[in-house]
Amino acid sequence: AQSVTQLGSHVSVSEGALVLLRCNYSSSVPPYLFWYVQYPNQGLQLLLKYTTGATLVKGINGFEAEFKKSETSFHLTKPSAHMSDAAEYFCAVSAPNSGGSNYKLTFGKGTLLTVNP
Amino acid sequence: GAGVSQSPSNKVTEKGKDVELRCDPISGHTALYWYRQRLGQGLEFLIYFQGNSAPDKSGLPSDRFSAERTGESVSTLTIQRTQQEDSAVYLCASSFFLAGVREQFFGPGTRLTVL
Repeated sequence: AQSVTQLGSHVSVSEGALVLLRCNYSSSVPPYLFWYVQYPNQGLQLLLKYTTGATLVKGINGFEAEFKKSETSFHLTKPSAHMSDAAEYFCAVSAPNSGGSNYKLTFGKGTLLTVNP
Repeated sequence: GAGVSQSPSNKVTEKGKDVELRCDPISGHTALYWYRQRLGQGLEFLIYFQGNSAPDKSGLPSDRFSAERTGESVSTLTIQRTQQEDSAVYLCASSFFLAGVREQFFGPGTRLTVL
């Protein structure tokens, strides 16, 4: 079984400051890892994902995340926050089955990002 | 349509009533998923469809919950005899059926309030 822990239900940063949203996971097999963003009254949108290969993953809107197996972490970062980044962010994990496919996402509880002018 | 759509966007019902929530997936997506998002919680997986069959119903919380799908199209999630703890946002997602990672595309959700 998989689980996800997002440290900090609410993170507040100033515009232009570094954004760091923390995610730790547990999985019995090498996981696939995802970050989703949810804007008010909208569905979740995929920011980035890690499956295999390069551990530093770049996504949309200038976000990136690094898979660190030794730390079981997949923290999300952005060098400079923009007002439009204010949203709720969810980290998710799935465990591929023996056929390499996966479907069930296990989500963290989410981190609400506030960007102050 | 361009994305996953869900209806209604909001539903208020009285305890004990039945409700139906609808999901229209992206055209061509063979896989469809239902999740529940309770206040302050992450998303909980409910059920997964591949075509119109449901290989995994493990997340349905009780036998009051059921879902069906017509072909590779619309899905309906039905909650019978609603309880206050059923209040949540119900999210639907769809994806292509591909081995490997399947990116799930989410709808805007249905906010269910049980009084």
